[in-house]
Amino acid sequence: AQKITQTQPGMFVQEKEAVTLDCTYDTSDQSYGLFWYKQPSSGEMIFLIYQGSYDEQNATEGRYSLNFQKARKSANLVISASQLGDSAMYFCAMREGQGEYGNKLVFGAGTILRVKS
Amino acid sequence: EAQVTQNPRYLITVTGKKLTVTCSQNMNHEYMSWYRQDPGLGLRQIYYSMNVEVTDKGDVPEGYKVSRKEKRNFPLILESPSPNQTSLYFCASSPSGEPQHFGDGTRLSIL
Repeated sequence: AQKITQTQPGMFVQEKEAVTLDCTYDTSDQSYGLFWYKQPSSGEMIFLIYQGSYDEQNATEGRYSLNFQKARKSANLVISASQLGDSAMYFCAMREGQGEYGNKLVFGAGTILRVKS
Repeated sequence: EAQVTQNPRYLITVTGKKLTVTCSQNMNHEYMSWYRQDPGLGLRQIYYSMNVEVTDKGDVPEGYKVSRKEKRNFPLILESPSPNQTSLYFCASSPSGEPQHFGDGTRLSIL
């Protein structure tokens, strides 16, 4: 079974609008972490935002926020006021436990976001 | 500047010719990992290391070797590369429980 599911292979958004990228996860651990990474066309992996399973408040980092719904096992990324530079591949990832397996991240297949001017 | 450095960035080689991709981090992180990225599959962990001389297999270790003789370095070795190892490879490092810092990636093509 997939541990991280990103159901949107591709998304379009108009510049300056908000967009939500979906992510659902599957784990039986009580302690885990959820991450979003951005991969522009140049290929590097850029860390965006982190949510711990025990964090009660949704994480926010600038224009990025993580809509964490623990009971539904979803961790959607919300990008507000989209910019052309937000066009990239976005990966949702999960770390189970507290660092066993070398802090292994399990990744979803990714969502390609295109921002239109 | 805190960084994870991989070399080479690009390599085209032939089946069976041993190659090494180097990875070095300057942040004194204990944890280091190698991932490969393939279309539609996201990134998958190949090997990881939790400290010097401590390494273990990830999800897709077949055909790869690693070593961790120093804290800063974690090379990935392909003893006899095959075309199915053509991929984009990332090295990552982190302290325990923290987000991983990724290198810029190495694109390998094995003909």
